[in-house]
Amino acid sequence: QQPVQSPQAVILREGEDAVINCSSSKALYSVHWYRQKHGEAPVFLMILLKGGEQKGHDKISASFNEKKQQSSLYLTASQLSYSGTYFCGTEIGSNYQLIWGAGTKLIIKP
Amino acid sequence: DTGVSQDPRHKITKRGQNVTFRCDPISEHNRLYWYRQTLGQGPEFLTYFQNEAQLEKSRLLSDRFSAERPKGSFSTLEIQRTEQGDSAMYLCASSLSVGPTDEQFFGPGTRLTVL
Repeated sequence: QQPVQSPQAVILREGEDAVINCSSSKALYSVHWYRQKHGEAPVFLMILLKGGEQKGHDKISASFNEKKQQSSLYLTASQLSYSGTYFCGTEIGSNYQLIWGAGTKLIIKP
Repeated sequence: DTGVSQDPRHKITKRGQNVTFRCDPISEHNRLYWYRQTLGQGPEFLTYFQNEAQLEKSRLLSDRFSAERPKGSFSTLEIQRTEQGDSAMYLCASSLSVGPTDEQFFGPGTRLTVL
């Protein structure tokens, strides 16, 4: 039931782009994306509701393909501050209970 | 700082002891969540409150775990007869129900080490 995130880790040079995927075996009501830096709490990025909408702010955006039960997070022109572990939290039905993926570790090098 | 605070930040205890953690959510938030996170994993849902009512509890959660949210404000999570497998980061999050789903604001966590 835990969503599968891919890749597990990615190393980029500053300015490069990255895509992080989150796939579920269950139909999803919503997908939540968070970033967690080492030793810190997860920080909210965005929520996508079923309906296939795409969201974004600054150079971070995400899409939600309801039929494929998956979401993708897009990081464009990555900055050093984007480093961290990215988690997707999936909601099956509107019950406010998130099931989290194992995370994707993103390392940005200057 | 998200405005969610947790106390203590670190707790070291011996196996078999009871421990209690406290979470103070953002004041106007009506929902409060407890998660457990181990190294290299995402948060694992434990339980959630809407105001003072505990609405969901993970089926994986042992009876040794109990949580309360008296008066719908702060919350406590108690672990009785701790085991080494309970060692983890315990995260609290809060949210305000304004739509079909909520943005959750996380506290800094309480790191529990059971010796």
